[in-house]
Amino acid sequence: SSELTQDPAVSVALGQTVRITCQGDSLRSYYASWYQQKPGQAPVLVIYGKNNRPSGIPDRFSGSSSGNTASLTITGAQAEDEADYYCNSRDSSGNLVVFGGGTKLTVL
Amino acid sequence: QVQLQESGPGLVKPSGTLSLTCAVSGGSISSSNWWSWVRQPPGKGLEWIGEIYHSGSTNYNPSLKSRVTISVDKSKNQFSLKLSSVTAADTAVYYCARDSLVVRGNRMDVWGKGTTVTVSS
Repeated sequence: SSELTQDPAVSVALGQTVRITCQGDSLRSYYASWYQQKPGQAPVLVIYGKNNRPSGIPDRFSGSSSGNTASLTITGAQAEDEADYYCNSRDSSGNLVVFGGGTKLTVL
Repeated sequence: QVQLQESGPGLVKPSGTLSLTCAVSGGSISSSNWWSWVRQPPGKGLEWIGEIYHSGSTNYNPSLKSRVTISVDKSKNQFSLKLSSVTAADTAVYYCARDSLVVRGNRMDVWGKGTTVTVSS
């Protein structure tokens, strides 16, 4: 399968923890990478591999994976974390790239 | 650090060909990375179009494969996208990105700012 499924919208209270999930068959073979996109801006990589953060990404962002589900966790969500989040991975063949449909995160 | 910059016409007529170029600066396109095109229609999510390696190897989204060509020009340190037979459904922000393969995964760690392409007569 070449599809990744995300919940369209998630909300979290300021300072609380939120988990955003991504499901797909390819995730049994490949880790997801996660991207944050704010309105009018290009996506920014926040998590990749087993649980790696690029330089400059706060340590409140973390990633995990189990079976066909990858998760992005924000521990102590901040107002500036309000954004759209996308997962992506190689597909099961390894030759293609697939994106999830995106999750809109609202910080209350 | 590596930077990417998309360029090309912002308006394309229906049935025409969309042509964009992504200039790579601060690094070599011949490094061990794939170079991708990703698009985002207004109000919608990200869609991967395809990728190219500096050797010229390509992979394309099956839903677009019949209309897409991605090429690389190592002498100019850039890669290009051509999408033929465009319709209004191809109106989107088009991004180029560097995609690095990592253990059991990938990471698109450098993105251009994006360029808006509108398909309209």
